[in-house]
Amino acid sequence: KQEVTQIPAALSVPEGENLVLNCSFTDSAIYNLQWFRQDPGKGLTSLLLIQSSQREQTSGRLNASLDKSSGRSTLYIAASQPGDSATYLCAVGPVSGYSTLTFGKGTMLLVSP
Amino acid sequence: NAGVTQTPKFQVLKTGQSMTLQCAQDMNHNSMYWYRQDPGMGLRLIYYSASEGTTDKGEVPNGYNVSRLNKREFSLRLESAAPSQTSVYFCASTRGGAEETQYFGPGTRLLVL
Repeated sequence: KQEVTQIPAALSVPEGENLVLNCSFTDSAIYNLQWFRQDPGKGLTSLLLIQSSQREQTSGRLNASLDKSSGRSTLYIAASQPGDSATYLCAVGPVSGYSTLTFGKGTMLLVSP
Repeated sequence: NAGVTQTPKFQVLKTGQSMTLQCAQDMNHNSMYWYRQDPGMGLRLIYYSASEGTTDKGEVPNGYNVSRLNKREFSLRLESAAPSQTSVYFCASTRGGAEETQYFGPGTRLLVL
């Protein structure tokens, strides 16, 4: 059974810092990996989706990398801002299409002004 | 476009009562999902529907039933609510399968007393 772990569980940084969030998974037979953002009391918003054949994806100040062989992904946030404060979740997608995503429990990020 | 909508936003039930959570999407997506999110447990899939007219169990289906009413709507029913079903429920949809970007609704907070 696929298991997804996110470290750290919580992170507090001052504004302007670059930071890295980590995600690891136990079964490397994945189709893709997605990073989501969740604001308190809200639903999840997709940030980046990396296909298994890709090494990284970038969107603005966000960069996500994927190393399938080692079962790891990182989400790099450059020049963090207070508006980046949220919980970040990673989820790995199945090899077969109509099955479930497996989610990590998330990293709660607080960026202080 | 509204994306994925869920009703109600919040509900309090007594043990043994029944209720239906409603979900609708206006993106012409084929697949729809119901998740529950609990502290320390992450998101877990309850049921999903790969296409209109089909439904399948996820990781935690016990105590729930679903109906894919049409391509737009996917409802989740609790026949006899239990305190263990106190949770936040999210509906999501994808254009194709679970390997694609998932779009989430804002969630329904359910408290069972």
